[in-house]
Amino acid sequence: AQSVTQPDIHITVSEGASLELRCNYSYGATPYLFWYVQSPGQGLQLLLKYFSGDTLVQGIKGFEAEFKRSQSSFNLRKPSVHWSDAAEYFCAVVANSGGYQKVTFGTGTKLQVIP
Amino acid sequence: EAGVAQSPRYKIIEKRQSVAFWCNPISGHATLYWYQQILGQGPKLLIQFQNNGVVDDSQLPKDRFSAERLKGVDSTLKIQPAKLEDSAVYLCASSSQGADEQYFGPGTRLTVT
Repeated sequence: AQSVTQPDIHITVSEGASLELRCNYSYGATPYLFWYVQSPGQGLQLLLKYFSGDTLVQGIKGFEAEFKRSQSSFNLRKPSVHWSDAAEYFCAVVANSGGYQKVTFGTGTKLQVIP
Repeated sequence: EAGVAQSPRYKIIEKRQSVAFWCNPISGHATLYWYQQILGQGPKLLIQFQNNGVVDDSQLPKDRFSAERLKGVDSTLKIQPAKLEDSAVYLCASSSQGADEQYFGPGTRLTVT
């Protein structure tokens, strides 16, 4: 069965500092990979996705993520964090399971940004 | 393009009562999802529809939860009877097909007292 692990429950960074949020997945083949963001009181919004091709994908709000097959990882990065980036970030995996596309979300990483 | 609509936004009920949530997905989206998000946790998939058929309901507590998607468009999720542990945000999402990005509604915050 597929699974997603986000090992960091809570991360605090200073505004302007770089950010990396970790995501590891377990699946026999390469799944479709997504990062979503949930701001306080808001719904989930897609940041970026990986289907195939270039392993470094660019998303909205200056985020990027790199797919590393050898490490089964899809870490999210941002070179310079803004206070408005404070939110909860979810990694998600979609993979073929018994003839349909099964989705699994990670438990999330809550990002706090300090001035 | 209109987003995913959900109602109500908030609901407070007593345990053992019943409640229903409604979702209207983005027009033309074949896949519809219902998630339960308990405070501090990630979304947990309850049920996934492809058009009006169920493709995954493995995590739906079928003794108390039910869902339907008539005519492959709107969907309702019902809980009967509710338990205290059902207090959560219920999210509806849709996608054009199963592997595509999902568009989420604002959610319904359910409090069971």
